[in-house]
Amino acid sequence: SQQGEEDPQALSIQEGENATMNCSYKTSINNLQWYRQNSGRGLVHLILIRSNEREKHSGRLRVTLDTSKKSSSLLITASRAADTASYFCATDAAGGGADGLTFGKGTHLIIQP
Amino acid sequence: GAVVSQHPSRVICKSGTSVKIECRSLDFQATTMFWYRQFPKQSLMLMATSNEGSKATYEQGVEKDKFLINHASLTLSTLTVTSAHPEDSSFYICSASPPGWGSLAKNIQYFGAGTRLSVL
Repeated sequence: SQQGEEDPQALSIQEGENATMNCSYKTSINNLQWYRQNSGRGLVHLILIRSNEREKHSGRLRVTLDTSKKSSSLLITASRAADTASYFCATDAAGGGADGLTFGKGTHLIIQP
Repeated sequence: GAVVSQHPSRVICKSGTSVKIECRSLDFQATTMFWYRQFPKQSLMLMATSNEGSKATYEQGVEKDKFLINHASLTLSTLTVTSAHPEDSSFYICSASPPGWGSLAKNIQYFGAGTRLSVL
C-alpha cells in the first residue's frame, strides 16, 4: 500500500510566520487531502485537492500538488498559536471504490507566541 | 458539516477483557465506515472497512477475530477489541463519508474524536 511521508516531522516557528509542510506519496491517486489533529483528538478535514488540480486555497491555507513528483505542500500563512497541531496528508488510491485513506506520518507544528 | 460521534473517549481495562467502541454518524447515513489505529506520535493506520449489512474488510495484518466489527445499521458501527492485552493499547478512530459527495469529492471523511484504550 502507498505511504505518505511528511517533512519536516516537527516544525517550530514564531507566531505570524508562514509554515510549510510537505508530503510525498508513492502511487497514483484520486485526490490528496490534508487533515489536522489536535493532541489526543480526532482529525479535522482541512482541504482536498484533486489529482487534476495544481493549487488550491482556503483561507490561510494553500495547498499545491505535483503529481509528476508525487508530492504536495501545505502552506499556512500568518500562523497563529491556535494552529499548533499535527498535520497529516492523506491519499486515496486511484481506481474508485470506497477506500480508506492512507495517511502520512504527520508534521507536528508548534507556533510560539 | 457532518458529525461523527465516537464513544467512549477513553477506556481503561484489565488484560483479557473485551472492549466495545461505538461510532455513530449523527446527521447522515453511512453505508461505509472506517476504523483506524494510531500509536503515540505516529500516523493513523487503516485497520478495516466496515460495511453496513455485510462483513468488514480487514487490512493485511489485522486480526479479524481480535478486532470484531459490526455495522448493523446505517448510522452505527462498533469495534470490539476482544481479550485485550497491553499491546492493544492505542488510539482508535473511526470515520465516515456522507453519501452524495460524488466521485469527484469522494472520500472526504469525517472523524470521530477517537477512543484512547489503555489495557493494564
